[in-house]
Amino acid sequence: GENVEQHPSTLSVQEGDSAVIKCTYSDSASNYFPWYKQELGKGPQLIIDIRSNVGEKKDQRIAVTLNKTAKHFSLHITETQPEDSAVYFCAASSDFYFGSGTKLNVKP
Amino acid sequence: DAGVIQSPRHEVTEMGQEVTLRCKPISGHNSLFWYRQTMMRGLELLIYFNNNVPIDDSGMPEDRFSAKMPNASFSTLKIQPSEPRDSAVYFCASGTGPSYEQYFGPGTRLTVT
Repeated sequence: GENVEQHPSTLSVQEGDSAVIKCTYSDSASNYFPWYKQELGKGPQLIIDIRSNVGEKKDQRIAVTLNKTAKHFSLHITETQPEDSAVYFCAASSDFYFGSGTKLNVKP
Repeated sequence: DAGVIQSPRHEVTEMGQEVTLRCKPISGHNSLFWYRQTMMRGLELLIYFNNNVPIDDSGMPEDRFSAKMPNASFSTLKIQPSEPRDSAVYFCASGTGPSYEQYFGPGTRLTVT
């Protein structure tokens, strides 16, 4: 089955700086890579996703990059704001494995 | 649409009691997922239904756990008998397929004393 590893487990940045979260996966058959944001007391919510036929996707301050050869994908948040503070999860399509999560803290 | 609806939002029960968690997926979605979230183990898939049929239940911890989906608009996750180690937040999510966005409900926080 799939194995998804996520780093770092915690990330603290100053407001306005960029944040990068990285994930690696093991199953080369995976073709869908979503990123979810979970705020305290709520369920995870999709913020961006990418499919294996695309190398990069952007949505305003959020971008995801995918390297299929190396089997890793990354979430990039630019111009971070305090409301970006949350736990972020990556996932790979096969077997519905989620990464262990990254707690992002944006300091005002 | 109201999104995925879960009930109850909080459940406190004593060890040995039966617990039933309920989920109403988003109308039109044909996939339904049950997850368990704990600090130690993160977000774990318990079972996945497609068109009301269980496809993968390999994540169900043991025979004390069972899940049903009698129709497209309702699913239950039952724990009988419950144990303190079952304490966690249980999420239900629905979607249009395994490689598409999942919409999560607000979760049920279960505490077994």
